[in-house]
Amino acid sequence: EVQLVESGGGLVQPGGCLRLSCAASGFTVSNNYMNWVRQAPGKGPEWVSVLYDDGSTFYADSVKGRFTISRDNSKNTLYLQINNLRVEDTAVYYCARRRDGSTSPMDVWGKGTTVTVSS
Amino acid sequence: DIVMTQSPESLTVSLGERATINCKSSQSVLHSSNNKNCLAWYQQRPGQPPKLLIYWASSRESGVPDRFSGSGSGTDFTLSISSLQAEDVAVYYCHQYCGAPTFGGGTKVEIK
Repeated sequence: EVQLVESGGGLVQPGGCLRLSCAASGFTVSNNYMNWVRQAPGKGPEWVSVLYDDGSTFYADSVKGRFTISRDNSKNTLYLQINNLRVEDTAVYYCARRRDGSTSPMDVWGKGTTVTVSS
Repeated sequence: DIVMTQSPESLTVSLGERATINCKSSQSVLHSSNNKNCLAWYQQRPGQPPKLLIYWASSRESGVPDRFSGSGSGTDFTLSISSLQAEDVAVYYCHQYCGAPTFGGGTKVEIK
């Protein structure tokens, strides 16, 4: 079964950092375009970052310079390092796969991990 | 970035009746490589991640009931639920995946 399971969220003070993980099963992370998408309470989803199969990375302007996406092929796991957290980063963070690269939407999503930034 | 605007924000429909959701993009989402519209629709029930219903504006994802259909081209798109069922209560989002992915603000569908 194709599955994504996120972990690593929590309550953090402004300026703090977190590393989110997304463990995949049923498919190979390194062969797909893997994304992080976040959803603030009561809002629509917001794309955050993508890691292509060739290793290229892209970020939303709102997180550029603070977030870093990476993967560990041996663990079939995607990561998101989040630094200098802001209150507006509070959201559920999902990892999601684009099954056919740039010509497909995100078809598999994890259940998400919650990040709360508050003093 | 391409801005996606959905209407209405909420919709109340009787069981068995038709629900129609609209989505407008700030620029064309026609993909240059295949001349298809890179527009998808998702369903999100409370506490759940978004679930892919429709892609390429009108292609139904495997396992999605045929009461869900998508239409439109260029900048104007529609999701229709032909006969609303109780399990269709959810928030629906349109999503473009031509460039940097963006999502609409959502339409909440409830039972009258």
